[in-house]
Amino acid sequence: QLQLQESGPGLVKPAETLSLICSVSGGSIRTSDFYWGWVRQSPGKGLEWLGTVFYNGATQYNPSLKSRVTVSVDTSKNQFSLRLTSVTADDTAVYYCAREVRYNTGVADATGFWGQGILVTVSS
Amino acid sequence: QVVLTQSPSASASLGASVKLTCTLSNGQSNYAIAWHQQQPGKGPRYLMKINSDGSQSKGGGIPDRFSGSRSGAECYLIIARLQPEDEADYYCQTWGTGSHRMFGGGTRLAVL
Repeated sequence: QLQLQESGPGLVKPAETLSLICSVSGGSIRTSDFYWGWVRQSPGKGLEWLGTVFYNGATQYNPSLKSRVTVSVDTSKNQFSLRLTSVTADDTAVYYCAREVRYNTGVADATGFWGQGILVTVSS
Repeated sequence: QVVLTQSPSASASLGASVKLTCTLSNGQSNYAIAWHQQQPGKGPRYLMKINSDGSQSKGGGIPDRFSGSRSGAECYLIIARLQPEDEADYYCQTWGTGSHRMFGGGTRLAVL
């Protein structure tokens, strides 16, 4: 049974870098059938897609955050990661890792599976 | 860039049915969408996908009470025989041509 588990610091100081890991169990990250991505939800707000990675390292990012976001993959550990630089209080949110269906043409499809999420607070 | 519009709130009585709407901007009737449920204090859960032709596929374990349909750029999530656990936020999502995933603002459903 697939499980996605987010981990990382729950508190990050302003101007520093937020780093999270998503550990995948019950399935291999090394598959052409899925993309692996990050979505966040600010307190009381809706969902915002951050970025996605394929097992070969190819990435796609939300244009509004592209300059600050990096998503990477470590197939040897069956994990993928999120880095968000120069954080401010506006980056306080619950961060979810998720799996998206990928067609063999490379086109993405729905986010079909979600982690439970991790709250990250940006504060000094 | 497509925008998905949802009503902020909806309500219906226990045992009744409700229809939630997600509207794609610019009449983008050719985009598929997905519906996700987020119960209080939990992460989102994938419910189903609705293709541009109206066909749908549901996630594993999703009750038959949940169904979807669409009319052009308007997409619907229909929940029949409402249960207390259906009280949740419901988000629609699209991925356009696959390079940028977008979510609607969500609808908070109250079961009265």
